[in-house]
Amino acid sequence: QKEVEQNSGPLSVPEGAIASLNCTYSDRVSQSFFWYRQYSGKSPELIMSIYSNGDKEDGRFTAQLNKASQYVSLLIRDSQPSDSATYLCAVNRNRDDKIIFGKGTRLHILP
Amino acid sequence: GAGVSQSPSNKVTEKGKDVELRCDPISGHTALYWYRQSLGQGLEFLIYFQGNSAPDKSGLPSDRFSAERTGGSVSTLTIQRTQQEDSAVYLCASSLGASGSGTDTQYFGPGTRLTVL
Repeated sequence: QKEVEQNSGPLSVPEGAIASLNCTYSDRVSQSFFWYRQYSGKSPELIMSIYSNGDKEDGRFTAQLNKASQYVSLLIRDSQPSDSATYLCAVNRNRDDKIIFGKGTRLHILP
Repeated sequence: GAGVSQSPSNKVTEKGKDVELRCDPISGHTALYWYRQSLGQGLEFLIYFQGNSAPDKSGLPSDRFSAERTGGSVSTLTIQRTQQEDSAVYLCASSLGASGSGTDTQYFGPGTRLTVL
């Protein structure tokens, strides 16, 4: 099992709909979880960090963490064409204090 | 305040030459990370610094790659005898604290695009 796993996509979502991005991880004792957005040719930029089970909302974005099932998801409401990007999930690996990134999911919002 | 800065933004070099890439982290950030990203690929971890020490060098692809960090701030990634497969975007990120600390959000610099001819 990969340490941080994401579907590579592309995930196509109509404009105005909810985009749902999922990530699973293997380290049962991970404590820190991040979602980054990366536009083509640009650096990753942080969207959300989440540390506790449950939902965390920030504007149109909601991160959901379920440590028992070892998954973290990102919901984007009212999807816009500008949300089209690659979304990277990142999780801390407890044994060596490293942040592990997934390969990313390409999201395409259809106008 | 200022974010993570990297220089140069672009570097074109000939195969066999040495290159140095620089990263200036956010002031006060103790952790610093180097990644490499080839076109259309994910982030490849290279090395991680906590202060001036590098607890994890496992990602360095070969002994041609080395990195140092001085004064707990600026870091330099050096690639000796560059090869064409070294062509990629090299990204630096810093975080206030160590992984799992609750202050471990990484902030990325704009990257250095390295092209080896």
